[in-house]
Amino acid sequence: DAKTTQPPSMDCAEGRAANLPCNHSTISGNEYVYWYRQIHSQGPQYIIHGLKNNETNEMASLIITEDRKSSTLILPHATLRDTAVYYCIVTLRTSYGKLTFGQGTILTVHP
Amino acid sequence: DTAVSQTPKYLVTQMGNDKSIKCEQNLGHDTMYWYKQDSKKFLKIMFSYNNKELIINETVPNRFSPKSPDKAHLNLHINSLELGDSAVYFCASKTRDGNTIYFGEGSWLTVV
Repeated sequence: DAKTTQPPSMDCAEGRAANLPCNHSTISGNEYVYWYRQIHSQGPQYIIHGLKNNETNEMASLIITEDRKSSTLILPHATLRDTAVYYCIVTLRTSYGKLTFGQGTILTVHP
Repeated sequence: DTAVSQTPKYLVTQMGNDKSIKCEQNLGHDTMYWYKQDSKKFLKIMFSYNNKELIINETVPNRFSPKSPDKAHLNLHINSLELGDSAVYFCASKTRDGNTIYFGEGSWLTVV
């Protein structure tokens, strides 16, 4: 799996958009970008994934650059409950769920 | 309705003991996992079973033995517990396609 680089921490004001970047410059053509998050004392939670097109679901939007070397997870209206560690993972769709978690980004949403 | 449930949530035990953590998923998934999160918060895969067959076995001491009686259950048995086994163990399951994985709430194991 390609290596990812994320900032160790970010802050966001409640109600504002949280934009979490991820670099994956060695991504290969058939690798997907997945985002998970882990709220304190809970199991990781799937957020969204994409291959090359931008994706949106009820939780977030995923913007992947045209060269696919980086992506941004967008939480459009962050709430205090979005405070968590966010993991960007690049993996083959056929990796049998073997996810390689890095250190992630600690997002703190403050009032 | 809990999708992936594991028991116990907390377990404190002495070195040398043998303990088990149970996991059940009611999502109808074929693939289940055990992940370990150590004190530094790194999350790593340990095992994966697909339809009761072991498909991923990372470099884990053979004191750890997963058992899958059916595709809805994946239990983790640990023999001769050591201090370094203290961690949070997460059970998970996956849809047939892709890598959307559903994690349980974790089992906090403390070895004293």
